Amino acid sequence: AQKVTQAQTEISVVEKEDVTLDCVYETRDTTYYLFWYKQPPSGELVFLIRRNSFDEQNEISGRYSWNFQKSTSSFNFTITASQVVDSAVYFCALSEAAGYSTLTFGKGTMLLVSP
Amino acid sequence: DGGITQSPKYLFRKEGQNVTLSCEQNLNHDAMYWYRQDPGQGLRLIYYSQIVNDFQKGDIAEGYSVSREKKESFPLTVTSAQKNPTAFYLCASSGIGQNEETQYFGPGTRLLVL
Repeated sequence: AQKVTQAQTEISVVEKEDVTLDCVYETRDTTYYLFWYKQPPSGELVFLIRRNSFDEQNEISGRYSWNFQKSTSSFNFTITASQVVDSAVYFCALSEAAGYSTLTFGKGTMLLVSP
Repeated sequence: DGGITQSPKYLFRKEGQNVTLSCEQNLNHDAMYWYRQDPGQGLRLIYYSQIVNDFQKGDIAEGYSVSREKKESFPLTVTSAQKNPTAFYLCASSGIGQNEETQYFGPGTRLLVL
């Protein structure tokens, strides 16, 4: 069975601080996808990134970066120089890499960025 | 613009009543999904459909029903058998192929029991 653990329930930072959101996963599949989604107060889930299990390269997109480490089954998300607009709940998710696979979500981490 | 729409934004259910949540997509995606989100919780899968006229139960299908008569539409009915329906319901869709399997979500419907 697949499992995603986001141990940080809530994180509070002050604007311009860097913050890392942790994600640890469990799966028996040899190929899989990992995802991060952002849920702002409006409620809609916004897709941020998808990572294939065979691609362990870290990725950077603007102020966002992701660190995928297969050896520790982790897929952590770092926001550099956080802004108030980053305040949201962030979900890590996992699926098989087998077409139309369903997502297993972590419980989410609420990030509060204060001015 | 391509996307996923859900209606209504808020829905109120009376005791013993069935209610239907709408989900429509114009992304030409084959697969569609329904998730339930409770406060402080992750999303849990209710039903999903990979093709028209076919659907499978997810982890918490009891008390819910779906239909998939058109590729674009995947309505969810919350039946009177669902004893704790108050939640935020999210619909998603995805395509097929290596770059198409990401699920994209609609804005959600908040269901409240009167």
